[in-house]
Amino acid sequence: EPEVTQTPSHQVTQMGQEVILRCVPISNHLYFYWYRQILGQKVEFLVSFYNNEISEKSEIFDDQFSVERPDGSNFTLKIRSTKLEDSAMYFCASSDTRVSEQYFGPGTRLTVT
Amino acid sequence: KNQVEQSPQSLIILEGKNCTLQCNYTVSPFSNLRWYKQDTGRGPVSLTIMTFSENTKSNGRYTATLDADTKQSSLHITASQLSDSASYICVVSARSGGSYIPTFGRGTSLIVHP
Repeated sequence: EPEVTQTPSHQVTQMGQEVILRCVPISNHLYFYWYRQILGQKVEFLVSFYNNEISEKSEIFDDQFSVERPDGSNFTLKIRSTKLEDSAMYFCASSDTRVSEQYFGPGTRLTVT
Repeated sequence: KNQVEQSPQSLIILEGKNCTLQCNYTVSPFSNLRWYKQDTGRGPVSLTIMTFSENTKSNGRYTATLDADTKQSSLHITASQLSDSASYICVVSARSGGSYIPTFGRGTSLIVHP
């Protein structure tokens, strides 16, 4: 069964450093998403991406965040200058249509020290 | 402000019993409501998706209901199994123009005991 994969599973970085989180969505899906979940809190929507453009973004997704689909398979989330409060689990998801079932990856745990 | 409230916050039941989880929302304009199951440390897994016109949707032992008038949804789990122990999350999406913005609830933590 196809699945969304994410790398790395755990990333530790120092405050102020740039990080890139990587995701490989399901191959025939067209819509891609990033979410985050701070430990012990609810999942929060960051951004959705379709046709090489951001479709929607939340208030959390400010100028320090960017997304990219650099090739036909990868979907990345870049955080330019990490802050302590960026420590969270980051989930990538994909779907074949905007309103259909979203398939989530296993997540990348980002720890900013 | 769009909000999704879930109750109870946590629930403990015995294996084989049924349970019902609640979700109330103030998201507007409503687009769809999703229920997810999230195991600890894992990504959410979709259980059901309902649009405005649907009031019941089943997925195996999971049955979701939606009352768009009262802005309430429930997830009923039948004949619970130990593997049902997880967090169950209600997500309601608002439609604004061509955009869909999801609002997540905090989830109900379900523990099924043998």
